[in-house]
Amino acid sequence: DSGVTQTPKHLITATGQRVTLRCSPRSGDLSVYWYQQSLDQGLQFLIQYYNGEERAKGNILERFSAQQFPDLHSELNLSSLELGDSALYFCASSAIGTSGDTQYFGPGTRLTVL
Amino acid sequence: GQNIDQPTEMTATEGAIVQINCTYQTSGFNGLFWYQQHAGEAPTFLSYNVLDGLEEKGRFSSFLSRSKGYSYLLLKELQMKDSASYLCAVRDGGYQKVTFGTGTKLQVIP
Repeated sequence: DSGVTQTPKHLITATGQRVTLRCSPRSGDLSVYWYQQSLDQGLQFLIQYYNGEERAKGNILERFSAQQFPDLHSELNLSSLELGDSALYFCASSAIGTSGDTQYFGPGTRLTVL
Repeated sequence: GQNIDQPTEMTATEGAIVQINCTYQTSGFNGLFWYQQHAGEAPTFLSYNVLDGLEEKGRFSSFLSRSKGYSYLLLKELQMKDSASYLCAVRDGGYQKVTFGTGTKLQVIP
């Protein structure tokens, strides 16, 4: 158990809908990262937050947004969902979000868009 | 940007040694990670290298050559539970972004 929690574990929804994925980092970690993992693509970095501020951005679609709250939990919002958004979404946390800072991954949310 | 290459699949025998290679090209290097991921589960941290050389941790070792853009993960005394994907990830120095390779799926056979 990494100490990172994600909810829900599974989510099934329809195209065009909007969903929110939630992540609670390990106690004391200030940085949160979001990744998408589909079968044919491996782990794709979406976005990183540090202490409430956006720190780095990857290939995150405009339909997707995220935020980190004062209590350091984070939410990833996915809107206008498409079939291709079906994937495992992982959240990871690290202590301070800098070089050498190990990321610990949550169990993931499996999103299925029908 | 970054480009990371790993073999897609490897097979090795229980009790043997296997080396998984990773080559990378990056505009600014600031560390390389290895993660293990069992199917459908979260990646778990194995090792981190930022300086050239070998880091040993039990049955697992990781090597880095920054001048060659090359790393390998060495797994000794293979066990059946080592069957998993092994992900190489590189941190970009400028943006602190971590880019993952597509992973090497290792199958350990009796």
